Amino acid sequence: KAGVTQTPRYLIKTRGQQVTLSCSPISGHRSVSWYQQTPGQGLQFLFEYFSETQRNKGNFPGRFSGRQFSNSRSEMNVSTLELGDSALYLCASSSDSNSPLHFGNGTRLTVT
Amino acid sequence: GQQLNQSPQSMFIQEGEDVSMNCTSSSIFNTWLWYKQDPGEGPVLLIALYKAGELTSNGRLTAQFGITRKDSFLNISASIPSDVGIYFCAVSGGTSYGKLTFGQGTILTVHP
Repeated sequence: KAGVTQTPRYLIKTRGQQVTLSCSPISGHRSVSWYQQTPGQGLQFLFEYFSETQRNKGNFPGRFSGRQFSNSRSEMNVSTLELGDSALYLCASSSDSNSPLHFGNGTRLTVT
Repeated sequence: GQQLNQSPQSMFIQEGEDVSMNCTSSSIFNTWLWYKQDPGEGPVLLIALYKAGELTSNGRLTAQFGITRKDSFLNISASIPSDVGIYFCAVSGGTSYGKLTFGQGTILTVHP
């Protein structure tokens, strides 16, 4: 069974641009969550989606948004990028809300 | 917000030694999780604890859910070089495991 797949693996953007990251969950998993990982703040929750509905949202500005499609694939978007948005963005999936998360290998975003 | 205090921040040990790390919180949680992250990869679930006082093993790993539901520890016995990585504790605060709060991580280095 394939794991959580995130694309692209690496991304370099310029301040002020926007970016879209993609996540394909494990087959059969309907819940997808996104996390931001930085050396200073550690792993921080961004959002959780289940059956195309946002179920939880973390404490991030409105520049961070996401969505989930009917096939459970998910995307997150960051607009008006800032230098501080440079981070590893991790996607995780689970079969339902009562099962632990399985993480992908992340997308490393660098904002210059 | 919810915060987990994970210690130690880093450990340097010799191959064959036992390792112990722990996580504490000022709040009560119903689920404690331990993840390991290797360089360039996403966190991988090691052990999930669902019941206060529960002691669970996974090979050389043993974890316990504190009786007060405010702490947990992870032990690694007879460490080997591939145990190198960052270990995170995490808790689920609500009804969904999609939204986790993570500790700051323990960086483990094992010298052959």
